[in-house]
Amino acid sequence: TQLLEQSPQFLSIQEGENLTVYCNSSSVFSSLQWYRQEPGEGPVLLVTVVTGGEVKKLKRLTFQFGDARKDSSLHITAAQPGDTGLYLCGGAGGTSYGKLTFGQGTILTVHP
Amino acid sequence: SAVISQKPSRDICQRGTSLTIQCQVDSQVTMMFWYRQQPGQSLTLIATANQGSEATYESGFVIDKFPISRPNLTFSTLTVSNMSPEDSSIYLCSAERANYGYTFGSGTRLTVV
Repeated sequence: TQLLEQSPQFLSIQEGENLTVYCNSSSVFSSLQWYRQEPGEGPVLLVTVVTGGEVKKLKRLTFQFGDARKDSSLHITAAQPGDTGLYLCGGAGGTSYGKLTFGQGTILTVHP
Repeated sequence: SAVISQKPSRDICQRGTSLTIQCQVDSQVTMMFWYRQQPGQSLTLIATANQGSEATYESGFVIDKFPISRPNLTFSTLTVSNMSPEDSSIYLCSAERANYGYTFGSGTRLTVV
């Protein structure tokens, strides 16, 4: 069974601060997706990283896929209250063909 | 990305009854997935639904409790049978589409009383 360890589970920060969320595994994934979810909605895909060492930027969000495709990070610069939500990483491929393996999730609260 | 319409968005049900949740995708997809989620927590995969074959269930989930239909490549249903308060949760469907990744419905918030 493939596992994704996501940390931290909770983050409470002030507007303007930076933060990083991590997803780590002992398994190799063919791709890793990052989602953001707000209450009452389904997860919304932010980015998919596919290549080992890949870095993708989405405005103030920077996503990195580890060289060995076993880990990933999400870095948010100058967080804003609108960034508040549940962040999820999901790994695809490997031994769990076609299925996403999710991390535990990170609840981010950005205070004005 | 693919658009998934899921309904109902929420329901309050009596214990012992069943609820069927529907998901409609705006394009044909090979695989659809059903998840369960407690508020503020991660997603737990219930089963994978492929058109033309029986759903594949994850450990801890059985067909008698969560029967799934997949009559065509754009539609699937999940039934939560003989409900108890422990079934209160958010249920989500998802589909994978080439070049778009995995897309989720908006979820069904189920409360069993």
